[in-house]
Amino acid sequence: GENVEQHPSTLSVQEGDSAVIKCTYSDSASNYFPWYKQELGKRPQLIIDIRSNVGEKKDQRIAVTLNKTAKHFSLHITETQPEDSAVYFCAASWGYKLSFGAGTTVTVRA
Amino acid sequence: GAGVSQSPSNKVTEKGKDVELRCDPISGHTALYWYRQSLGQGLEFLIYFQGNSAPDKSGLPSDRFSAERTGGSVSTLTIQRTQQEDSAVYLCASSSRSAEAFFGQGTRLTVV
Repeated sequence: GENVEQHPSTLSVQEGDSAVIKCTYSDSASNYFPWYKQELGKRPQLIIDIRSNVGEKKDQRIAVTLNKTAKHFSLHITETQPEDSAVYFCAASWGYKLSFGAGTTVTVRA
Repeated sequence: GAGVSQSPSNKVTEKGKDVELRCDPISGHTALYWYRQSLGQGLEFLIYFQGNSAPDKSGLPSDRFSAERTGGSVSTLTIQRTQQEDSAVYLCASSSRSAEAFFGQGTRLTVV
C-alpha cells in the first residue's frame, strides 16, 4: 500500500517568515495529494490539494508543489501569521484510500 | 446531514467495559475511515471501508477492536474490554473517489 513520509515533525518560525513542509510517497500511481490543517481541539480540515496533472497550485499565502518523478510534494506558507500555528497533515491517494503523513506541528512565534 | 456526524462526542467508560462509537458519513460518500488520535499525536489509521469491498482492517491494534458498516452508510466502531491505553479521540472521515475526505468532530474516549 501507499506509504507517506512527512518532514519535519515540528517547525518553529518567526511571524512573517515562510514555512515549508515536505512529504514523499511510495506508490507512483497516486494522483491526489491533499493537505489538512488541524487546529488545537478541532478536526482536520482541507486547506489545499493538488492533482497529478498539475505541478503547482496557489491559494493566497499557501502553495503546494508536486514532483511526480521524485514522488514528493511540499506545502509552502508565506508571511506566516499566529493563526497558522497548527498541525498539518499531507496525504496521498490513488482511487479511494487516503494515506496520511505523521503530521507537522507548526508554531509561529510573535 | 451537511457533514460527517459522530456520536457520542465524549464517552467515559470503566476499564473492561465495551463501547460503541458511531459515524454517520456524508450521503453518497462510498469511502469511510476510522482513525485514532492520542493527545498531541498524529492520525493512527484503524480501518477503511470502500463500497461493498472487504474492509482494510490492517490498522486495528488488537482483536478487541472491530468495525462494521451497514448498508454502505453508518459505521460502528466497537472496542471490547476497554483498556486505559484505548483513551484517545476517535475520528471518522468519509470521501468520494480521489476527493477531499471530510472528518467528523470525533469521539473523545476516556477509560478510567
